[in-house]
Amino acid sequence: DTAVSQTPKYLVTQMGNDKSIKCEQNLGHDTMYWYKQDSKKFLKIMFSYNNKELIINETVPNRFSPKSPDKAHLNLHINSLELGDSAVYFCASSQVGGSSDTQYFGPGTRLTVL
Amino acid sequence: QQQVKQSPQSLIVQKGGISIINCAYENTAFDYFPWYQQFPGKGPALLIAIRPDVSEKKEGRFTISFNKSAKQFSLHIMDSQPGDSATYFCAARGTGAGSYQLTFGKGTKLSVIP
Repeated sequence: DTAVSQTPKYLVTQMGNDKSIKCEQNLGHDTMYWYKQDSKKFLKIMFSYNNKELIINETVPNRFSPKSPDKAHLNLHINSLELGDSAVYFCASSQVGGSSDTQYFGPGTRLTVL
Repeated sequence: QQQVKQSPQSLIVQKGGISIINCAYENTAFDYFPWYQQFPGKGPALLIAIRPDVSEKKEGRFTISFNKSAKQFSLHIMDSQPGDSATYFCAARGTGAGSYQLTFGKGTKLSVIP
């Protein structure tokens, strides 16, 4: 059983399009995250979300928006895609305040904007 | 601004040697310091973590050394193996609003050569 899953694994699209990446976790965690990993492998938090608050990294363009239909899902919507959005996007989850602080990452979605 | 500085950017070690990766942080409120390991095409996975009330933590061949006064921590990989070849990220967790977010270092690409 995959703990944190993402779809699709690869996404190739044209500039200006709108796309979504889905994330699901079956760990029962209360907090989910989206990270962006650029070509230099730098991991940067974009959002963290639990049922109490959404924390948005101030550098994330408002073209990016997280949507959580329920506790186990946190999808990422991207509007008006730009070349600079090309990266690998990772979803992660954790149980805040639990016995373990571990964040579990999904396998990533490689987004290529042409 | 919360930052974690990681060095070196890349590291080549002979099989059986010791790999050492260093990190330094600025925010004295950080209270949890994990190391993540990432293989190509995969998401990062927790390797080992330490809290600031101890100076060292060892798990198998992996050891974290923590110097609270210097605001530095390091990962030591003893008897390095080719299977350890991966990118390693140090991270730190803050306090306050959104405290469960991790701030990552820029990563170290480790290559262990036979």
